[in-house]
Amino acid sequence: DAKTTQPPSMDCAEGRAANLPCNHSTISGNEYVYWYRQIHSQGPQYIIHGLKNNETNEMASLIITEDRKSSTLILPHATLRDTAVYYCIVRAPYNNNDMRFGAGTRLTVKP
Amino acid sequence: EAGVAQSPRYKIIEKRQSVAFWCNPISGHATLYWYQQILGQGPKLLIQFQNNGVVDDSQLPKDRFSAERLKGVDSTLKIQPAKLEDSAVYLCASSSTGGATEAFFGQGTRLTVV
Repeated sequence: DAKTTQPPSMDCAEGRAANLPCNHSTISGNEYVYWYRQIHSQGPQYIIHGLKNNETNEMASLIITEDRKSSTLILPHATLRDTAVYYCIVRAPYNNNDMRFGAGTRLTVKP
Repeated sequence: EAGVAQSPRYKIIEKRQSVAFWCNPISGHATLYWYQQILGQGPKLLIQFQNNGVVDDSQLPKDRFSAERLKGVDSTLKIQPAKLEDSAVYLCASSSTGGATEAFFGQGTRLTVV
């Protein structure tokens, strides 16, 4: 079973920031937070991951709360191509390395 | 680097027939995952391999599904006999171990059981 909860859907205006929340209140100390997205008819694509510090790459930023019980994925300037289902996953890569998905958030970017 | 390869891309079979899917992970990746994704749902983990050993197959319907990863490289997932509810996309993913790296997914095999 997934260890995360996400809103089922969100809308965002093109060019604006998209902020996608994720709750992972039972996260363990050795578990990282990973974000993936899945565009229609494709396999999930990795976006970003973090342990406890905020992270940024060319695609997005990840903000993890100090208690690590929740996080937010930020797409700073959403485009129509960012319309997808976004999945938040907790995973222990140095332990059992399992990777279980929930239902994700369907983000629709509107012109 | 080459990505995760899966075949076939699409498959249509009748119920009670058997079917097999093939996955070739990224070279050097020790962990391999098989997922089932039913339309409108997130991917459901069926089985996870570490090299050629099974780490987790708790959600694999073992009465009809089987998977193997001989020599710890490529893998096959088989369904015998298929049911209508097995219609889904079957995704394969792989990742390296020893670091907090990401997993890479193949394009998936879309199975339709009629």
